[in-house]
Amino acid sequence: AQSVTQLDSQVPVFEEAPVELRCNYSSSVSVYLFWYVQYPNQGLQLLLKYLSGSTLVKSINGFEAEFNKSQTSFHLRKPSVHISDTAEYFCAVSVRNNDMRFGAGTRLTVKP
Amino acid sequence: DTEVTQTPKHLVMGMTNKKSLKCEQHMGHRAMYWYKQKAKKPPELMFVYSYEKLSINESVPSRFSPECPNSSLLNLHLHALQPEDSALYLCASSQDGTSYQETQYFGPGTRLLVL
Repeated sequence: AQSVTQLDSQVPVFEEAPVELRCNYSSSVSVYLFWYVQYPNQGLQLLLKYLSGSTLVKSINGFEAEFNKSQTSFHLRKPSVHISDTAEYFCAVSVRNNDMRFGAGTRLTVKP
Repeated sequence: DTEVTQTPKHLVMGMTNKKSLKCEQHMGHRAMYWYKQKAKKPPELMFVYSYEKLSINESVPSRFSPECPNSSLLNLHLHALQPEDSALYLCASSQDGTSYQETQYFGPGTRLLVL
């Protein structure tokens, strides 16, 4: 069964530092991967997704993720984080029509 | 308009109460979802409607009863809930649920407390 594993439950970083949030997937077939962000007391918002084509995908707020088939990874990166990036980040995989499974989440805390 | 709205934002109910959660979208989407999210956990899929028909029910207890009156509206009827049902209930929608590649758009959620 397809699934994703987020390796870090919490990632504390200082403002303007780079960050990487790790996500590994397990799948034997074509895989469609997503990163969602959840700010405190809010719903989830799509950050970016990999469906096919270029393995490097970018969001409008400076995050990017690279699909790496050999390492079965889809890590999320940002070269310089802001306080406002503090949130819970979920990696997800589409396992069938209508069905997306989320990783356990990584809490990113950006400190001044 | 890429917004999914949910009402109420907060709900407190006793174990004998009957209440309903409501979700609405005006993006022309034909698939709508209910998720349950416990604190510090990822969302868990409960139900999916596609073209107003229930297409996925993830073995949810019968005290949760979904309803999709039309393509824009999704309700979740609650009856005889237990304290462990306290959680954030998220609604989402997507194009029509017929592709693995669809993006789901989430509402802000209803935070439910069962006493």
